[in-house]
Amino acid sequence: NAGVTQTPKFQVLKTGQSMTLQCAQDMNHEYMSWYRQDPGMGLRLIHYSVGAGITDQGEVPNGYNVSRSTTEDFPLRLLSAAPSQTSVYFCASSPFPREWGPIYGYTFGSGTRLTVV
Amino acid sequence: KNEVEQSPQNLTAQEGEFITINCSYSVGISALHWLQQHPGGGIVSLFMLSSGKKKHGRLIATINIQEKHSSLHITASHPRDSAVYICAVGDTGNQFYFGTGTSLTVIP
Repeated sequence: NAGVTQTPKFQVLKTGQSMTLQCAQDMNHEYMSWYRQDPGMGLRLIHYSVGAGITDQGEVPNGYNVSRSTTEDFPLRLLSAAPSQTSVYFCASSPFPREWGPIYGYTFGSGTRLTVV
Repeated sequence: KNEVEQSPQNLTAQEGEFITINCSYSVGISALHWLQQHPGGGIVSLFMLSSGKKKHGRLIATINIQEKHSSLHITASHPRDSAVYICAVGDTGNQFYFGTGTSLTVIP
């Protein structure tokens, strides 16, 4: 089925460990993004990409790296995990934002619940 | 300063009631999204709109660009509508801003 696939669904890390959250979409969407969701704060944009080879920072980029070598994949890397990065992470994709023709707009992955101890 | 403000934060309704959730924003936008987050955490995009009104089943979304305001209406509410509804706006610079969500509980 077409959509956004995120892995893993759950992860526990120790402070200082590194890991990569995977995100893949098969809808040929140009725009991909990573968000974190924390209680009472809504979703906050970490990094985004408007196409292969192009990435940019969002609202809360510190502590995270991204790359976009293909249209399909947009991994999020935590280089040295900290307890403040305990959150639920969502990957989302859409056709380029300025086009509002599609009915369904954004497509979100199912989320990754990350706990850093 | 929040670019997107939603109200109310929490809403409890009886089954069958007409529900309105409001969203105000302060940035210039290319599009506004209404999202639904299920109790299990999954997020579904309900509407993307830049003007006027859209309807999908019992859901209606409206936007007033001049007043920078959008509303999400649910007619004949049902317990399965219980979820968190999130307003998000995409500005003209590829950035997205999210409201903190409205938690809706529909009681049978």
